[in-house]
Amino acid sequence: AQSVSQHNHHVILSEAASLELGCNYSYGGTVNLFWYVQYPGQHLQLLLKYFSGDPLVKGIKGFEAEFIKSKFSFNLRKPSVQWSDTAEYFCAVNMNYGGSQGNLIFGKGTKLSVKP
Amino acid sequence: IAGITQAPTSQILAAGRRMTLRCTQDMRHNAMYWYRQDLGLGLRLIHYSNTAGTTGKGEVPDGYSVSRANTDDFPLTLASAVPSQTSVYFCASRGTAPYTEAFFGQGTRLTVV
Repeated sequence: AQSVSQHNHHVILSEAASLELGCNYSYGGTVNLFWYVQYPGQHLQLLLKYFSGDPLVKGIKGFEAEFIKSKFSFNLRKPSVQWSDTAEYFCAVNMNYGGSQGNLIFGKGTKLSVKP
Repeated sequence: IAGITQAPTSQILAAGRRMTLRCTQDMRHNAMYWYRQDLGLGLRLIHYSNTAGTTGKGEVPDGYSVSRANTDDFPLTLASAVPSQTSVYFCASRGTAPYTEAFFGQGTRLTVV
């Protein structure tokens, strides 16, 4: 079965530190990849997405992610975090069947705490 | 445009009671989903519907049922609530083109006592 693994349960950083959150998925076919963010008490919002093309994708608020097909990875990065980035981050994957898309499967999430 | 509306926002429910969580979207998306979010487990898919009139089971369907009578509405019913169904429930919708993302509602916080 398709699965998504996020390596870190809780990451604590100081402001201005660099961030990298790992995400690996298990499916070997064509996939669509997403990172969602959930600020405290709020719903999930899309941070960035990859469908095809340039494997380095840029999202909102200075986030980016790199798709490495050979490693089945889609790691999220930000060069310099801010206190307002404190949130939970979810990697999600769906299979792409060429004309339709499978269900969106989520990782367990990584909680990011940024110290001011 | 409201997007996705869930109701109620929160609810405390006695075990054994029946409860329907409502979800309505105004984006004319064909696909809709119900997830539950639990600490340390992320979001798990309960049921989904790829188009009006069809539904399917996700990862954790037991104890839940759904219906999809039209494009806009996708209610989730707990026939007889149990404490393990205490969770935050999110409804989501998505277009059916190959390259679309899911949009989420604000969530329903359900406590079964």
